Amino acid sequence: QKEVEQNSGPLSVPEGAIASLNCTYSDRGSQSFFWYRQYSGKSPELIMFIYSNGDKEDGRFTAQLNKASQYVSLLIRDSQPSDSATYLCASLFGNEKLTFGTGTRLTIIP
Amino acid sequence: GAVVSQHPSRVICKSGTSVKIECRSLDFQATTMFWYRQFPKQSLMLMATSNEGSKATYEQGVEKDKFLINHASLTLSTLTVTSAHPEDSSFYICSARHTGRSYEQYFGPGTRLTVT
Repeated sequence: QKEVEQNSGPLSVPEGAIASLNCTYSDRGSQSFFWYRQYSGKSPELIMFIYSNGDKEDGRFTAQLNKASQYVSLLIRDSQPSDSATYLCASLFGNEKLTFGTGTRLTIIP
Repeated sequence: GAVVSQHPSRVICKSGTSVKIECRSLDFQATTMFWYRQFPKQSLMLMATSNEGSKATYEQGVEKDKFLINHASLTLSTLTVTSAHPEDSSFYICSARHTGRSYEQYFGPGTRLTVT
């Protein structure tokens, strides 16, 4: 069974610092990985996806993928209070459905 | 780009009635759409996968006769909750997979259903 694991948190980070969110996955055949942000009472919003080993940067966000260790992370630089949300990691194998982790609740402290 | 809409955003209905929720991909085609349910402070739970022009695939434990899914076009999928009961009250969220870029899946804003 494909599983994606995340630390549920809550993770508290001071404003302006780097927030680091981690995720591991069990299916070595997973090919693509996604980070979604979900504010309370809202639906998830796609932030980034990554499918190659290494780093992928988009503004203040950097996704990192290490397929050998089956590990995905999301770094948020210069954290803002508006980054406070639950972050969902998901993996995709081929054209199948996304497998979601349970999410990490992030709080940015002003 | 990549906008998914849902209608209605909020609905209150009486026990025993049926409710239809629409999910539309506004600026892209979606051969595959997904329906999720989320209870407060819980994870997303996938209910079913719908493919345009074919029957939906339901996850284990989801009653297909209670949650009717129709994916009639490349931009529209509907979920009908039949004979709704208070325990069906939840946040229902659809998502659409971009036909041309299958690794991208976008969520609609969700529909909050309350059954009284």
